[in-house]
Amino acid sequence: DADVTQTPRNRITKTGKRIMLECSQTKGHDRMYWYRQDPGLGLRLIYYSFDVKDINKGEISDGYSVSRQAQAKFSLSLESAIPNQTALYFCATSDEDRVYGYTFGSGTRLTVV
Amino acid sequence: GQQLNQSPQSMFIQEGEDVSMNCTSSSIFNTWLWYKQDPGEGPVLLIALYKAGELTSNGRLTAQFGITRKDSFLNISASIPSDVGIYFCAGQRNTDKLIFGTGTRLQVFP
Repeated sequence: DADVTQTPRNRITKTGKRIMLECSQTKGHDRMYWYRQDPGLGLRLIYYSFDVKDINKGEISDGYSVSRQAQAKFSLSLESAIPNQTALYFCATSDEDRVYGYTFGSGTRLTVV
Repeated sequence: GQQLNQSPQSMFIQEGEDVSMNCTSSSIFNTWLWYKQDPGEGPVLLIALYKAGELTSNGRLTAQFGITRKDSFLNISASIPSDVGIYFCAGQRNTDKLIFGTGTRLQVFP
């Protein structure tokens, strides 16, 4: 099994629908992150969590919400999806030690029509 | 939000050529990391650098932590088709969040 698992891998949804993207990890890391990737724009941070009781907004949090259900689980929700939220979404984890950097999931490709 | 300046934005090279890319920042970092993203996958860590001036290799890849701590460089020697992908630099201050570069898209032609 992958260290960081994202579900679903692909999703097509309609404008106005609520959708949840899920992330689970077996790394035992405290820190988890949600990133969005658009062509030519690199990785932009949506939300991050340094432990179960800690949730922080990233640079593009508008239109998104998150839930840290457990150390191993961090979900991202789009309450009312819009077409410009069509993108590739990545979950990542890290520990406090800076030695290992981030471990990324394989991504969820979301299309809002 | 802050992103690191990474150049070039894209490269189209022939198999066997060497590749160089770099990343610059207006701020000092304690750690520099280089990631590669294969098409349809998440970024994977290639090399981590922890000390100014450090030069580290991973196979055909060599990365350097700039002396000023505001830049880093990645070289790929004798490129092969599987080197295709997007390369991201990332900087970190202490144990804070990573700041990512804008990415360099590499295409290798046979």
